[in-house]
Amino acid sequence: NAGVTQTPKFQVLKTGQSMTLQCAQDMNHEYMSWYRQDPGMGLRLIHYSVGAGITDQGEVPNGYNVSRSTTEDFPLRLLSAAPSQTSVYFCASSYVGLGYEQYFGPGTRLTVT
Amino acid sequence: SQQGEEDPQALSIQEGENATMNCSYKTSINNLQWYRQNSGRGLVHLILIRSNEREKHSGRLRVTLDTSKKSSSLLITASRAADTASYFCATDSYSGGSNYKLTFGKGTLLTVNP
Repeated sequence: NAGVTQTPKFQVLKTGQSMTLQCAQDMNHEYMSWYRQDPGMGLRLIHYSVGAGITDQGEVPNGYNVSRSTTEDFPLRLLSAAPSQTSVYFCASSYVGLGYEQYFGPGTRLTVT
Repeated sequence: SQQGEEDPQALSIQEGENATMNCSYKTSINNLQWYRQNSGRGLVHLILIRSNEREKHSGRLRVTLDTSKKSSSLLITASRAADTASYFCATDSYSGGSNYKLTFGKGTLLTVNP
């Protein structure tokens, strides 16, 4: 199993550009989520999904869109990048419910200039 | 807002010593998890403790949970240089429908000096 994969590993965008961060998992996990990690702030939840066709907002959803058309994939879209979105982005997956460990991808380091 | 807050923010010890990190949280929880993050990598799950448990062990890890004080501690015994990493606590919550969330603290940076 590849686990949770994320692409790209690094990305530089100019303000106003759009892009999609890809996330895929091969563990048949229903639950997938996106976090951003900033220095001194820990991980903050952006969006999450409990299955195909179902998404919900996390703590910091503004400026990001998600969709979940398959169990395996959960892309994160930045429609108009801003410098405040410079961060490291992590995708994670798990079974749905309380008490399940989350499996994290390796992260995408995004810089918006 | 973030549920868990780790203390201390940074900890530096010598190899062979024990390392203790604490996590405090604000609202009632179902489970509390600890994760490790090596520099530049994704988080890796270490251990989970349920709200009705008081202590749990896994290898050199010992986790305690005090729900009356809303706090947990992670003890790493006989630390090694390879334990150098950031450690995060995370609490899960469910508020109906599809609202399952795992909320992370800001982490403790542990440095183990050889």
